[in-house]
Amino acid sequence: DAGVTQSPTHLIKTRGQQVTLRCSPKSGHDTVSWYQQALGQGPQFIFQYYEEEERQRGNFPDRFSGHQFPNYSSELNVNALLLGDSALYLCASSLVAGGLPGELFFGEGSRLTVL
Amino acid sequence: AQRVTQPEKLLSVFKGAPVELKCNYSYSGSPELFWYVQYSRQRLQLLLRHISRESIKGFTADLNKGETSFHLKKPFAQEEDSAMYYCALLNAGGTSYGKLTFGQGTILTVHP
Repeated sequence: DAGVTQSPTHLIKTRGQQVTLRCSPKSGHDTVSWYQQALGQGPQFIFQYYEEEERQRGNFPDRFSGHQFPNYSSELNVNALLLGDSALYLCASSLVAGGLPGELFFGEGSRLTVL
Repeated sequence: AQRVTQPEKLLSVFKGAPVELKCNYSYSGSPELFWYVQYSRQRLQLLLRHISRESIKGFTADLNKGETSFHLKKPFAQEEDSAMYYCALLNAGGTSYGKLTFGQGTILTVHP
């Protein structure tokens, strides 16, 4: 089991562009959460997907959107990139039925740099 | 709004010394708290959950609702404990899933 996988690992964009980040959850997991981690900060919750629907959302603008596919994989899209969007984006998967609440399995992250 | 505060950005101890990583929280409901750890060149992973009342790798954490704290303790630190530690609070909103609010993290360095 490869665990949670994310792609790409690094990418550089310019202000105003759009970016799509991808995540495959741990085998058997049905829920995907996305977090933004700025340098020197703890991860900050963006949103969570379960059964292909956004279930919870943090304090992020509508420029941040996502999607979950039938195979439970997920995408995070960010439009109109700002310099402040530069961060490590973490995907975490979990299991609703039978899983332990709060037990997240994290990927290694996608490092986004906005110039 | 919930908040998690880890007052120490850096903590250094010598091998064999006791260690305590502080965590305070603000939450109006019944809290579920966790400690996550990230070792060098590894991904973030769950260390322990308060509800399990378990000891993992010699670490324990007690929830003190009166002081709204969830400090992580180990009586004898080891060099392999050097890592970044995050305290986290679960907001499930009555669902079977939920978001974690993380503190800013504490870098623990255990010197030989």
